[in-house]
Amino acid sequence: ETGVTQTPRHLVMGMTNKKSLKCEQHLGHNAMYWYKQSAKKPLELMFVYSLEERVENNSVPSRFSPECPNSSHLFLHLHTLQPEDSALYLCASSQEVNRVYEQYFGPGTRLTVT
Amino acid sequence: QQQVKQSPQSLIVQKGGISIINCAYENTAFDYFPWYQQFPGKGPALLIAIRPDVSEKKEGRFTISFNKSAKQFSLHIMDSQPGDSATYFCAAREWTDKLIFGTGTRLQVFP
Repeated sequence: ETGVTQTPRHLVMGMTNKKSLKCEQHLGHNAMYWYKQSAKKPLELMFVYSLEERVENNSVPSRFSPECPNSSHLFLHLHTLQPEDSALYLCASSQEVNRVYEQYFGPGTRLTVT
Repeated sequence: QQQVKQSPQSLIVQKGGISIINCAYENTAFDYFPWYQQFPGKGPALLIAIRPDVSEKKEGRFTISFNKSAKQFSLHIMDSQPGDSATYFCAAREWTDKLIFGTGTRLQVFP
């Protein structure tokens, strides 16, 4: 595996379910990011981790809970989501936080909340 | 408030033509302006980027033009090919190292 991988690629969940999205980067980067991509909207930065420490949390609802156990793995735990949370969730990584413009993105997880 | 405004939302170009996508911003503290290309089923990928002290940057068929006084920058794709069909995002970096993205332009290049 190379680059940034995300699993699952597609997820359908009910509003009462609990699920997790997984991201893994094989680039030796120190910074990892979660973004939300909705149609006709700018990419929304959700969380930033630098060396496994959260450095940015963009007023994301608590039903989204990130976890970064090491610099290669990033999770997004989901619970009691709303239909408006349906979107493409992208993970990205960069060498350092200050090289955010050189992010490498994963293919995303297409989430549908029913 | 949208900090980076991108237009058009969609663009159809004939093969061999020039594709032009425009972005405008308000925040003069932005210090780096990348463009990303996203194919269906893939994440965005960095295509080309420019700093505000440069007026133009060219990489192959892709050129960024930057107008600091007008606070505008644009992506030009010369000799557009069907393989260029994708969604293009402009972005700007804040002093906080955060990227602010435009809303995207879906480009379709027809043979």
